[in-house]
Amino acid sequence: DVKVTQSSRYLVKRTGEKVFLECVQDMDHENMFWYRQDPGLGLRLIYFSYDVKMKEKGDIPEGYSVSREKKERFSLILESASTNQTSMYLCASSPREETPEQYFGPGTRLTVT
Amino acid sequence: AQKVTQAQTEISVVEKEDVTLDCVYETRDTTYYLFWYKQPPSGELVFLIRRNSFDEQNEISGRYSWNFQKSTSSFNFTITASQVVDSAVYFCALSINAGGTSYGKLTFGQGTILTVHP
Repeated sequence: DVKVTQSSRYLVKRTGEKVFLECVQDMDHENMFWYRQDPGLGLRLIYFSYDVKMKEKGDIPEGYSVSREKKERFSLILESASTNQTSMYLCASSPREETPEQYFGPGTRLTVT
Repeated sequence: AQKVTQAQTEISVVEKEDVTLDCVYETRDTTYYLFWYKQPPSGELVFLIRRNSFDEQNEISGRYSWNFQKSTSSFNFTITASQVVDSAVYFCALSINAGGTSYGKLTFGQGTILTVHP
């Protein structure tokens, strides 16, 4: 079974703090993704990575950065958290095949006060 | 650009009723994949099905069935004899094969909240 884990289920941070969200997958997948989920908007892609140290912007990268130093780990960084970044953050991974299904972690509900 | 529309924001049914979740997609690519995911209250998205654009054959898996129609750009999902455990948010998603450089990126619909009452 593919397992994608995220470092926290719930997180509360203050405005202006630097926030790290960690994601680890155990299936040796090449591709990893970060989404945010907001009511009525579905899931929106923030960043993705198709290899170690490689990253590409998704649809809403502003205010976020990512890091992928090891194949199994993909970190999302909020350089200076703001209240409009309060959301559910979901990490996913997939193997390097043509348009495979993605496997998701349990999500991190981040609240910025 | 790709777009997925799930016009039904919320659906409420009573147990044992059949329910259909609608999904309409837009893409200019001729090769693409469609997906359905289920998100139970625990939060983790669970993969349900993938179909490619060249296979319009409908699929049935237990109480679940999917109807893919390219002519109307729709990929609808029907649950027969719904159960309380089917209560969840359901997402339809689209992925294109842009010369292999798409990396499997998904475009999601807004999601449909399904509540099945006992």
